[in-house]
Amino acid sequence: GAGVSQSPSNKVTEKGKDVELRCDPISGHTALYWYRQSLGQGLEFLIYFQGNSAPDKSGLPSDRFSAERTGGSVSTLTIQRTQQEDSAVYLCASSLPSGGRLKGYTFGSGTRLTVV
Amino acid sequence: DAKTTQPTSMDCAEGRAANLPCNHSTISGNEYVYWYRQIHSQGPQYIIHGLKNNETNEMASLIITEDRKSSTLILPHATLRDTAVYYCIVRVPSSNDYKLSFGAGTTVTVRA
Repeated sequence: GAGVSQSPSNKVTEKGKDVELRCDPISGHTALYWYRQSLGQGLEFLIYFQGNSAPDKSGLPSDRFSAERTGGSVSTLTIQRTQQEDSAVYLCASSLPSGGRLKGYTFGSGTRLTVV
Repeated sequence: DAKTTQPTSMDCAEGRAANLPCNHSTISGNEYVYWYRQIHSQGPQYIIHGLKNNETNEMASLIITEDRKSSTLILPHATLRDTAVYYCIVRVPSSNDYKLSFGAGTTVTVRA
């Protein structure tokens, strides 16, 4: 596609429910990254995919968070048993394999998750 | 990564140059200065980076002092679309730059 597409753009969920956030990267971008940004805070790295494998999951805050990527394209970030502190904007970015500097990243517009 | 200090906010008049300062007094010899910005409801966008020499690209200019303890990002002709949070980050470039953590930055408001 022309850009990185994320869905839904907004999600309100009840505490304790599971949510799935989707990221559709730019065609040909084999590297994909998930971040989150809490209100008024900086960007926080969650997980990095190269193809379908995740060499770096170090940013996932707890075992309630998981992500997968299939076909080297679409990625899904799943949050189980959501808590209020999970409320944030979840951003996805993709880059060419040579990406490793944020210089070459393209970000989506994010999913704003609100846990009530 | 060296700590950076930026003003919390600044206003700029449309069409004028915007000069954004950043202090990084503990910078080490092999650390680069990166600038990014984040427009509301969008992901961060790379602007420019440099080591010692001043740098210029289609978006901005980066002026680094001779002692490298501070730098200034210059937006030569600010437009309303330049309203954003601007982040100054100092680190050694590496393959895990995707882990860059952004602090509070400077909220720049361009006014007509």
